Amino acid sequence: DVKVTQSSRYLVKRTGEKVFLECVQDMDHENMFWYRQDPGLGLRLIYFSYDVKMKEKGDIPEGYSVSREKKERFSLILESASTNQTSMYLCASRNDQGWETQYFGPGTRLLVL
Amino acid sequence: GENVEQHPSTLSVQEGDSAVIKCTYSDSASNYFPWYKQELGKRPQLIIDIRSNVGEKKDQRIAVTLNKTAKHFSLHITETQPEDSAVYFCAAGDNNNDMRFGAGTRLTVKP
Repeated sequence: DVKVTQSSRYLVKRTGEKVFLECVQDMDHENMFWYRQDPGLGLRLIYFSYDVKMKEKGDIPEGYSVSREKKERFSLILESASTNQTSMYLCASRNDQGWETQYFGPGTRLLVL
Repeated sequence: GENVEQHPSTLSVQEGDSAVIKCTYSDSASNYFPWYKQELGKRPQLIIDIRSNVGEKKDQRIAVTLNKTAKHFSLHITETQPEDSAVYFCAAGDNNNDMRFGAGTRLTVKP
């Protein structure tokens, strides 16, 4: 019963390329999040969105942008990929009832060469 | 902003022993403390959580304790099994869409 999906499990891109990571949830959740996961650093919040067309910066937004044109879809964009953006990217969503309703996607492992 | 410290970063126990992972947080506004388990190659999944009006919560072999005065909370796993091997993340959240994660603990349960 997968509820949060991400467009790719693995991606290999070159420095300078524009990269799109897509996340879709089917639970009608208001809130969606993008994290990156790096060894020894845990999960760090890049951006989140609490409604369509709304976005808020997280802890590490530099080098990233996001788009939320539809409630079910939250896209993470790397305008010009760099090697330090090689990481695991996790999308999550939750409704407004509380954090315990947060669900994660399977993750996208991005390698920037 | 919130800062969540998690220890240890790695933990190895013998099957049947207990495992304890500890986290501290800095923001007194935090009121929700979940624990996530991430098996190799899989997504993090919520295993247990606790709110700030509760001191302890138990679910079978897993328990979480919270000391709000000292701003620390712990995960306890008893009678560990090899399938408990995973990375565990603690987190602290408040009412303002702000949740911070610890760096993770890699638990290995040796048969």
